[in-house]
Amino acid sequence: EAGVTQFPSHSVIEKGQTVTLRCDPISGHDNLYWYRRVMGKEIKFLLHFVKESKQDESGMPNNRFLAERTGGTYSTLKVQPAELEDSGVYFCASSQGQGISYEQYFGPGTRLTVT
Amino acid sequence: QKEVEQNSGPLSVPEGAIASLNCTYSDRGSQSFFWYRQYSGKSPELIMFIYSNGDKEDGRFTAQLNKASQYVSLLIRDSQPSDSATYLCAVKKLTGGGNKLTFGTGTQLKVEL
Repeated sequence: EAGVTQFPSHSVIEKGQTVTLRCDPISGHDNLYWYRRVMGKEIKFLLHFVKESKQDESGMPNNRFLAERTGGTYSTLKVQPAELEDSGVYFCASSQGQGISYEQYFGPGTRLTVT
Repeated sequence: QKEVEQNSGPLSVPEGAIASLNCTYSDRGSQSFFWYRQYSGKSPELIMFIYSNGDKEDGRFTAQLNKASQYVSLLIRDSQPSDSATYLCAVKKLTGGGNKLTFGTGTQLKVEL
């Protein structure tokens, strides 16, 4: 069974440009999460999809970030326009269900560098 | 105060010894607790989770949870050099917290030959 995949693995863009990150969850996982780790800090939650619906977007830092999950399969996270503080590693995770005993499986991450 | 606290390390143990990794959390409403292992530049890999007080064992790994003390730990028996990684503690609080995981900054473990 394929795990969570993310593309690209690394992106370097200039301040003010746009970047779109993609995540493909484990097949059959309705729950998809985005997290971010900025250098020296802990991994922080951004948002949670259940199928195509946003269940929790309390962690989205501002309106420069737009996440979509059309059709309830893969998800994209767009940053527009990118700022220097957006640099970090963006992780996607998926889980089969919700509740205390459901594990989240993480992808390899996209390392975003904004210069 | 951070929601999830871990000693950043590095924690150095000799090969074959028991490594003890600790995590404290501030929110008493936290309900389940996850340990992830992360090698440099790789994705966090789930080791195990626990949600009942006491011990839970899986192979060389034992998770321990004490909700009264708001403390969770991971013991690694017979530590191997391949166990050298950063260990992330994460908590989930369903009520008022959704399904998101709240992470600590991780503890770097070094297993020395």
